[in-house]
Amino acid sequence: GAGVSQSPRYKVAKRGQDVALRCDPISGHVSLFWYQQALGQGPEFLTYFQNEAQLDKSGLPSDRFFAERPEGSVSTLKIQRTQQEDSAVYLCASSVLPGGSGGYTFGSGTRLTVV
Amino acid sequence: EDKVVQSPLSLVVHEGDTVTLNCSYEVTNFRSLLWYKQEKKAPTFLFMLTSSGIEKKSGRLSSILDKKELFSILNITATQTGDSAVYLCAVASRDSGTYKYIFGTGTRLKVLA
Repeated sequence: GAGVSQSPRYKVAKRGQDVALRCDPISGHVSLFWYQQALGQGPEFLTYFQNEAQLDKSGLPSDRFFAERPEGSVSTLKIQRTQQEDSAVYLCASSVLPGGSGGYTFGSGTRLTVV
Repeated sequence: EDKVVQSPLSLVVHEGDTVTLNCSYEVTNFRSLLWYKQEKKAPTFLFMLTSSGIEKKSGRLSSILDKKELFSILNITATQTGDSAVYLCAVASRDSGTYKYIFGTGTRLKVLA
């Protein structure tokens, strides 16, 4: 597609519920990144995929967070047993180059609110 | 610990004013510094800087990097209400082949008509 598409735009989850956030990167982009942006803060790195391989997941805050990109295009970020501290905007970004050099294109994000 | 610090945190100016936004960093394996504009959700790319002293310019916006003093500035001249946004600075460090971007908390700019 023309840009990075994320869905849903907004998600309200009850504490303890599992959620799945979708990212559809720009076609042909090798690199895909997930970031978490809390209110009033800059985005913080969660994980990185090069094609279908998850090469870096050092930013995932706990084992409740899981990401996949099985066919090297669409990616899903899953959060199990959501907690209130998970409330944030989750941004996906893609880059045509491996590693993300040269900058990213961000999607509009999914705003997750855990109540 | 790697960090990126932006100042000021927020700024209110009137249309036509010139503003300077600051970004200082302490990052290992520095590769590049990027500026983004975030209006609602998605940060949009403004500049990428890799070399010291070379100004990047796009219309009323310009930016420069000082790799010796570890900072960058973003200038906006003749500000307009449409410039109101959060301006994010991000520094790319390369670790095991991945360009990991460390973001500052941003400068919230409001331009009054």
